[in-house]
Amino acid sequence: QVQLVESGGGVVQPGRSLRLSCAASGFIFSTYGMHWVRQAPGKGLEWVAVISYDGSNKYYADSVKGRFTISRDNSKNTLYLQMNSLRAEDTAVYYCAKDQNYGGNLGIDFWGQGTLVTASS
Amino acid sequence: DIQMTQSPSSLSASVGDRVTITCRASQGISNYLAWFQQKPGKAPKSLIYAASSLQSGVPSKFSGSGSGTDFTLTISSLQPEDFATYYCQQYDTYPLTFGGGTKVEFK
Repeated sequence: QVQLVESGGGVVQPGRSLRLSCAASGFIFSTYGMHWVRQAPGKGLEWVAVISYDGSNKYYADSVKGRFTISRDNSKNTLYLQMNSLRAEDTAVYYCAKDQNYGGNLGIDFWGQGTLVTASS
Repeated sequence: DIQMTQSPSSLSASVGDRVTITCRASQGISNYLAWFQQKPGKAPKSLIYAASSLQSGVPSKFSGSGSGTDFTLTISSLQPEDFATYYCQQYDTYPLTFGGGTKVEFK
């Protein structure tokens, strides 16, 4: 069965950096695109970024472009999100999600449980 | 960016009711639309992709339809476990965008 386990969340001061990880199992990680999606407290879902199966293609939401970087290590079955220059408005639960397709463009089918990031002084 | 508008934003219904939620895209997205269910404090769950295809394991009481700009999610007979918030999402064009959500509450 597909499992996605996020880690790395916590409290961080605005302007600082944080790296999230997502450990994947139960499927051939290296053949699927992967997403990050976030949800601010009490708010709706916001798509953050996607990476193709081999890391060659990446796309970002305008709200994080230039500050966040999505990457993957297929040898470790792990997805990452490097978050720099964090702002208060980045406070959210961050979900890792698997796409149905190698390119990351056929829709999400599985979600992790999420990790909370709080950007606050 | 493609804007996704869901209606209603909330609704009250009873067990056994037929419930329909609509989602409208600001431009045509063919059938590149997904529906998700989220319960309080939990991760979203994928219900439907390609506008009308059920994800594996999703009961047939859920159905989706539409193409282009107008889409619907229907729950044929609402059960207690279906009270949740539902989101649509387009994956036709980056950045991917979600609707604002529809909260289905107990009447």
